[in-house]
Amino acid sequence: EDQVTQSPEALRLQEGESSSLNCSYTVSGLRGLFWYRQDPGKGPEFLFTLYSAGEEKEKERLKATLTKKESFLHITAPKPEDSATYLCAVQARNSGYSTLTFGKGTMLLVSP
Amino acid sequence: NAGVTQTPKFRVLKTGQSMTLLCAQDMNHEYMYWYRQDPGMGLRLIHYSVGEGTTAKGEVPDGYNVSRLKKQNFLLGLESAAPSQTSVYFCASRRRGSQTEKLFFGSGTQLSVL
Repeated sequence: EDQVTQSPEALRLQEGESSSLNCSYTVSGLRGLFWYRQDPGKGPEFLFTLYSAGEEKEKERLKATLTKKESFLHITAPKPEDSATYLCAVQARNSGYSTLTFGKGTMLLVSP
Repeated sequence: NAGVTQTPKFRVLKTGQSMTLLCAQDMNHEYMYWYRQDPGMGLRLIHYSVGEGTTAKGEVPDGYNVSRLKKQNFLLGLESAAPSQTSVYFCASRRRGSQTEKLFFGSGTQLSVL
């Protein structure tokens, strides 16, 4: 059974204080690992897809990395507008029609 | 640019009542999904559809039915609502493309069953 564990559950940062979110996964052959951002009262919004260990992707203050067992979402010099819940999901090679297994998310609060 | 639109946004039901949640997308996507999101749990897949007239069960399908009569619409039905179905429901869609195409989500329907 595919599993995704995200830590910490919640993280509070001061503006400009860099940190990382963790996504540990077990999957029977990884096809892709996804990061989504979810604002309160909204649906998740796509951030990144990572496919293989060693891969990195960046977008503004966010950088996602992937190893064979986990992914990190690094947030550099965060701003209050980065406050959101960040969701990690995996897609197994044998998943039917590309269905995803999601983690519970990390709620990030960035204070001014 | 509407994307994925869900109606209604909020609903309160009594146990045993029925209702239908509507998801509409204007991106001509082939694949559509219904998820539920509960506190302390990740998004869980209820049902999905890979094309007009086809549907399939996800991880938690019991108590729900779906229909995809038109490509742009995906309906989620609760025939006899139960308190355990209190949740936030999200619809998502994606194009067929590659197997790792990103999902586009609606803004959700908050459902309370009393």
